[in-house]
Amino acid sequence: GAVVSQHPSWVICKSGTSVKIECRSLDFQATTMFWYRQFPKQSLMLMATSNEGSKATYEQGVEKDKFLINHASLTLSTLTVTSAHPEDSSFYICSAILRGTGDQPQHFGDGTRLSIL
Amino acid sequence: GNSVTQMEGPVTLSEEAFLTINCTYTATGYPSLFWYVQYPGEGLQLLLKATKADDKGSNKGFEATYRKETTSFHLEKGSVQVSDSAVYFCALSGRGGNKLVFGAGTILRVKS
Repeated sequence: GAVVSQHPSWVICKSGTSVKIECRSLDFQATTMFWYRQFPKQSLMLMATSNEGSKATYEQGVEKDKFLINHASLTLSTLTVTSAHPEDSSFYICSAILRGTGDQPQHFGDGTRLSIL
Repeated sequence: GNSVTQMEGPVTLSEEAFLTINCTYTATGYPSLFWYVQYPGEGLQLLLKATKADDKGSNKGFEATYRKETTSFHLEKGSVQVSDSAVYFCALSGRGGNKLVFGAGTILRVKS
């Protein structure tokens, strides 16, 4: 069964609003969670790496004030897209590494499709 | 830096045909190699992996062998099914690291 749950799976909102996406590890503790962005028919682009209790590490070119990541517990990380605009529309996917399994594999959520009108 | 190159798709096959999706990589040291599969509207699922040279990863009839001499990790399946239609991603992680570098993905379409 699924080990990572992402919510919501689909969201449509108006330009200028903020949207929060949750990523939960189910029945296990995650040492590290990752946030990816996927454009249509393209590969996954790593946005940031999130460790519980510490600030997220953002990849080059990703605006940390735009994409706020909070990793408050070992089972939950959230991505907030602030003041979203149509160019932020995308498929966002999180993943998690289980505590005690080393560096791999990553377990992925089912993704969140974000559409900004 | 590390990179992964996959064959471009889409790949269209008839049911029970043989599948090969090529993947080559560039990396320093000895990376771990992965194949992930993404079904429509879903996240990625780990299909198989190999962590050292000459290892063969296998799952659900798919297999791939870690070839250090050719820096390749080609995905194969002897007889594809319609349910195998998905996007397949080759990926690597550097030794001692947890970040994944993905290839561009290859769309596979299997017709009945």
